[in-house]
Amino acid sequence: NAGVMQNPRHLVRRRGQEARLRCSPMKGHSHVYWYRQLPEEGLKFMVYLQKENIIDESGMPKERFSAEFPKEGPSILRIQQVVRGDSAAYFCASPGPGTGTGEAFFGQGTRLTVV
Amino acid sequence: DQQVKQNSPSLSVQEGRISILNCDYTNSMFDYFLWYKKYPAEGPTFLISISSIKDKNEDGRFTVFLNKSAKHLSLHIVPSQPGDSAVYFCAATFLSSGSARQLTFGSGTQLTVLP
Repeated sequence: NAGVMQNPRHLVRRRGQEARLRCSPMKGHSHVYWYRQLPEEGLKFMVYLQKENIIDESGMPKERFSAEFPKEGPSILRIQQVVRGDSAAYFCASPGPGTGTGEAFFGQGTRLTVV
Repeated sequence: DQQVKQNSPSLSVQEGRISILNCDYTNSMFDYFLWYKKYPAEGPTFLISISSIKDKNEDGRFTVFLNKSAKHLSLHIVPSQPGDSAVYFCAATFLSSGSARQLTFGSGTQLTVLP
């Protein structure tokens, strides 16, 4: 987990507000994955980004969710008009050294609570 | 459609004994399988992986077995230690378009090692 930084660790939003989750990958890495873990479930893939490019967004909900990874700065997962069902832990990950195996280093996550 | 299943939500084992965690999958395209360990309020930590062309991989106290014909894998921890108490996630991956290697996770098994 060392090196992948996520903030904030905890985020509380009222229904209808926007949530912005930030992720800085491991130093020197230019790709990030975002995953979501709903209560009592496993992690589910959302999106895979390279700097300035979305490579695979097949796991992203069709509405209200967007992700970016600008040339400078962290990757941002943005949720507009949050609803109670968005309450979850959101993790980002850097691909590991054995990228052919799917190994990834995860951050500590952002726990989003929608009230 | 759960492509990776962990049917035991919890497992309790006495310290020093063997812990066996099981996982089943349905997608024949998976070519790597991984086990992650997760403590509360932290991100998942990579433990061990296995290629689909192998049937066993060992790393210290951890051994993963793959039965491809049964689409089943298991993680053995010997000897179990109290510090092993955590949620264990089975994950699987294949190389998708755009070089993404997203992980498909099971729902996890809570392992408790009793002193």
